[in-house]
Amino acid sequence: AIQMTQSPSSLSASVGDRVTITCRASQGIRNDLGWYQQKPGKAPKLLIYAASSLQSGVPSRFSGSGSGTDFTLTISSLQPEDFATYYCLQDYNYHRTFGQGTKVEIK
Amino acid sequence: EVQLVESGGGLVKPGGSLRLSCAASGFTFSSYSMNWVRQAPGKGLEWVSSISSSSSYIYYADSVKGRFTISRDNAKNSLYLQMNSLRAEDTAVYYCARDAPIAAAFPDYWGQGTLVTVSS
Repeated sequence: AIQMTQSPSSLSASVGDRVTITCRASQGIRNDLGWYQQKPGKAPKLLIYAASSLQSGVPSRFSGSGSGTDFTLTISSLQPEDFATYYCLQDYNYHRTFGQGTKVEIK
Repeated sequence: EVQLVESGGGLVKPGGSLRLSCAASGFTFSSYSMNWVRQAPGKGLEWVSSISSSSSYIYYADSVKGRFTISRDNAKNSLYLQMNSLRAEDTAVYYCARDAPIAAAFPDYWGQGTLVTVSS
């Protein structure tokens, strides 16, 4: 199975900060990667698909990049509602795997 | 409005069985691939299984293969997960999720989940 390694596992940031989360695949997955946001007690929300395409209704401060094995989620200016846990998900070979998550906390 | 409502969770003893259901509404269910994803208490997300729109293609995570069976009834707009030989490590919230209707199809709508607890 393809392993997805996310980093960091947690970070502290302030409102207005630029935040970057990375995900590395154990083998090349083209651009078959999505990013999700999850708040406590809630279902995940799709932010980015195909590595860099913004899901409808998601604010433009979220962006994704990368291809092959290395991927990045960037929040250009962190807002209070963005404090949450973020997960990457690969969909390369029909056996999907999530990264272990990155918790974004208030500094 | 797209809605996915899971049911069937509860407390079950190790080695027991449980059948989860997901009732879909607000979209043409028979046109979409569907998924089950779980989350153990305080842990991350784990993909469990996927099924194509016509049930032609079915995939499982290694952790559940041979014990869980995904199925769907397009006439009833329903998705199912039959879980057998349950283990303590299967304890989790189980989410039903729809794949987006695009070439890069990631789960875009999710239910609120149903809790499965495996304990003696």
